[in-house]
Amino acid sequence: DAMVIQNPRYQVTQFGKPVTLSCSQTLNHNVMYWYQQKSSQAPKLLFHYYDKDFNNEADTPDNFQSRRPNTSFCFLDIRSPGLGDAAMYLCATAPTGFDEQYFGPGTRLTVT
Amino acid sequence: ILNVEQSPQSLHVQEGDSTNFTCSFPSSNFYALHWYRWETAKSPEALFVMTLNGDEKKKGRISATLNTKEGYSYLYIKGSQPEDSATYLCASNDYKLSFGAGTTVTVRA
Repeated sequence: DAMVIQNPRYQVTQFGKPVTLSCSQTLNHNVMYWYQQKSSQAPKLLFHYYDKDFNNEADTPDNFQSRRPNTSFCFLDIRSPGLGDAAMYLCATAPTGFDEQYFGPGTRLTVT
Repeated sequence: ILNVEQSPQSLHVQEGDSTNFTCSFPSSNFYALHWYRWETAKSPEALFVMTLNGDEKKKGRISATLNTKEGYSYLYIKGSQPEDSATYLCASNDYKLSFGAGTTVTVRA
């Protein structure tokens, strides 16, 4: 059974049109992460939540926001997508920051 | 964010052959090294979490070693099978994961 679920698996949006990606977990983990992976590059951490505490990476663009309304769900909002934001977005969870992370299958975002 | 390098970027292996590839990471302030396998259209799946210098872990035909003093880890696949085709990611953990770009393995039947 899927433990970290991401919806949708594929998302096409227009340049400048806001888009929201969704992640949910059944593991009851404290930590939830969002990564961006562009083709053939290393996954890059955008931000993470430890419970309700939000931690933004210093180089994450302001265009990217996140919400975690409860333990199970976390959202990635891209306010004004640019062509450079086309990527695979991975969600992951873990009990603590030092533990193995459990990943969803990712959302492939295309910006037209 | 730590600088983690993986090589080679990709490799092709004949079914039945063994192979290995490398992950290098900063050795200072080391906490743990993670290996993940990422098959196309699936979720990245944890293979190993390694913390101690000299650690060696094994899962079926896949094994990994760790040298924290010099900052590298090897992942070995023995007797490669088509189902081993995937991208293998390593990541150094200093409370957050810093990933390498991965080694993509293609096993030819």
